[in-house]
Amino acid sequence: AQKITQTQPGMFVQEKEAVTLDCTYDTSDPSYGLFWYKQPSSGEMIFLIYQGSYDQQNATEGRYSLNFQKARKSANLVISASQLGDSAMYFCAMREALNSGYALNFGKGTSLLVTP
Amino acid sequence: NAGVTQTPKFRILKIGQSMTLQCAQDMNHNYMYWYRQDPGMGLKLIYYSVGAGITDKGEVPNGYNVSRSTTEDFPLRLELAAPSQTSVYFCASTLDRERSPLHFGNGTRLTVT
Repeated sequence: AQKITQTQPGMFVQEKEAVTLDCTYDTSDPSYGLFWYKQPSSGEMIFLIYQGSYDQQNATEGRYSLNFQKARKSANLVISASQLGDSAMYFCAMREALNSGYALNFGKGTSLLVTP
Repeated sequence: NAGVTQTPKFRILKIGQSMTLQCAQDMNHNYMYWYRQDPGMGLKLIYYSVGAGITDKGEVPNGYNVSRSTTEDFPLRLELAAPSQTSVYFCASTLDRERSPLHFGNGTRLTVT
């Protein structure tokens, strides 16, 4: 079974600084995909970024980038130039094959607070 | 496009009552999911569907039932509600493509007392 671990329950960062949110995973599948989601206090789940295991480059989307280290089985999210609106829960998830399809298996999340 | 629409947003149930959480998507996605999120936890998969007429259990299916009679709708039924079912429920959908993210509804906050 696949496992996603987010070891940082809470993180603080000052506005305009960069922050790294950790995610490690465990899988025996050679092909897999990793997703990051943001959940603000309003509760909705917002997709941020995707990394495929065979992608040649680390994924980037605007201020979000992934520090993907396949050998270490880590896919850390880097948020550059933090903004107050980045304060939220952040979830790492892995695509998991099931009996008749697939789903995302989520970590427990990291709470990020951006301070002025 | 409305995306994924969940109703209701909030609900309070008494122990033993039943209810149906509604979920509809207008993106012609074949995959649909129900997750629950307990405080301080990630999302746990309850049920999923890969197309109309096909459903399967996830990690935490006990106490729930689903049906998928159309591509658009994927209702979640709670029978004999218990306090352990107090949670936030998310419906999601996606295409069957490797890089496709899940699109989530805004959630239903359910309290069973």
